[in-house]
Amino acid sequence: GEDVEQSLFLSVREGDSSVINCTYTDSSSTYLYWYKQEPGAGLQLLTYIFSNMDMKQDQRLTVLLNKKDKHLSLRIADTQTGDSAIYFCAGTLEGYQKVTFGTGTKLQVIP
Amino acid sequence: GAVVSQHPSRVICKSGTSVKIECRSLDFQATTMFWYRQFPKQSLMLMATSNEGSKATYEQGVEKDKFLINHASLTLSTLTVTSAHPEDSSFYICSARDQQGAGTEAFFGQGTRLTVV
Repeated sequence: GEDVEQSLFLSVREGDSSVINCTYTDSSSTYLYWYKQEPGAGLQLLTYIFSNMDMKQDQRLTVLLNKKDKHLSLRIADTQTGDSAIYFCAGTLEGYQKVTFGTGTKLQVIP
Repeated sequence: GAVVSQHPSRVICKSGTSVKIECRSLDFQATTMFWYRQFPKQSLMLMATSNEGSKATYEQGVEKDKFLINHASLTLSTLTVTSAHPEDSSFYICSARDQQGAGTEAFFGQGTRLTVV
């Protein structure tokens, strides 16, 4: 099965960029996601990338995918205090709906 | 976009009682829904795959007699925590994907925080 790993904690200053990293094991993962979870809340899909893409940008968010190294990253430009949350990367296989989650990275934004 | 509604959002129950959590897909049909459990400061762990009209598929280590799943229609799956104990206290989240849609997004419910006292 798929294993997905992330660093547990990241602290940045408001206005700086944040980069959250993720590694996965299954090279046949087709879709890779980034979810945001605020305290006590469910998951909010931030963005996703197909495995045949290297990069995807959506406003302040940039996703980079290195398939060779099985490495996924999420960059948040101009990080705001409202970005403080836990960020999960996740992957799924084509036609297989189960989503496998990383351990989550807690992002702390210092004013 | 598609929405998954989960109810209740919070529940407190006494040890030994049962609690039912509902997961509804509001504007799409989902033959398959997924139930996750999240322990404090940990990731989401898949508990089971709920299949409409058939038995759920449980992940290794999940007690199927304790966590009863019923997927009675294409828009509703329920998770019942039977004879709840304090160690069952957790955050439970369901998800579903719109199989008819072109997108790949997995939609998640708002989650249910269960506290067993």
